[in-house]
Amino acid sequence: AQSVSQHNHHVILSEAASLELGCNYSYGGTVNLFWYVQYPGQHLQLLLKYFSGDPLVKGIKGFEAEFIKSKFSFNLRKPSVQWSDTAEYFCAVNANNNNDMRFGAGTRLTVKP
Amino acid sequence: GAGVSQTPSNKVTEKGKYVELRCDPISGHTALYWYRQSLGQGPEFLIYFQGTGAADDSGLPNDRFFAVRPEGSVSTLKIQRTERGDSAVYLCASSLAGVGGEQFFGPGTRLTVL
Repeated sequence: AQSVSQHNHHVILSEAASLELGCNYSYGGTVNLFWYVQYPGQHLQLLLKYFSGDPLVKGIKGFEAEFIKSKFSFNLRKPSVQWSDTAEYFCAVNANNNNDMRFGAGTRLTVKP
Repeated sequence: GAGVSQTPSNKVTEKGKYVELRCDPISGHTALYWYRQSLGQGPEFLIYFQGTGAADDSGLPNDRFFAVRPEGSVSTLKIQRTERGDSAVYLCASSLAGVGGEQFFGPGTRLTVL
């Protein structure tokens, strides 16, 4: 079945640690890829997206993600996390220009000051 | 520059009752989406509107769920004969473009069915 998998349910890091959150999808064909973030008490908001072109995309707040087509992956990275990055992170895929967007289950990130 | 708004923010109802959830998208956004998010899960697609018409309702779980957008702006998600399993956060999102465009999410309506 088509799906979006986020490998880590809860990640706990200290400030200044490096972050990598995994995302894999099982769709074939053309995909648009997204990472959304939900800070405590706030709405879901877009961190970054990939439609085409350079597979390494830069987003807001120092986040980046790399699309590796051969691995069906779109992992999110940040070299040095801050306490304010504590949030839930969702990977999402829009496949073959379908109307729906499929989300992963989310990864909760806790950054200890 | 108001964002997407949703009302009510919380709704508690009894099993078997009818509920309506409202979404007010960003002005000028033609595309509108409804999602349902259960505890510990990501948002699950329900329905997509382009203008006034439901372009894709393939995510609606059954015929108790229905949504309208009569004037191409505000949308209402309607749930008949609610069940305990309908308890979730219902999210609305809108975008300028249709498919693949950045979606802007509202705060959600938390529905609890007792």
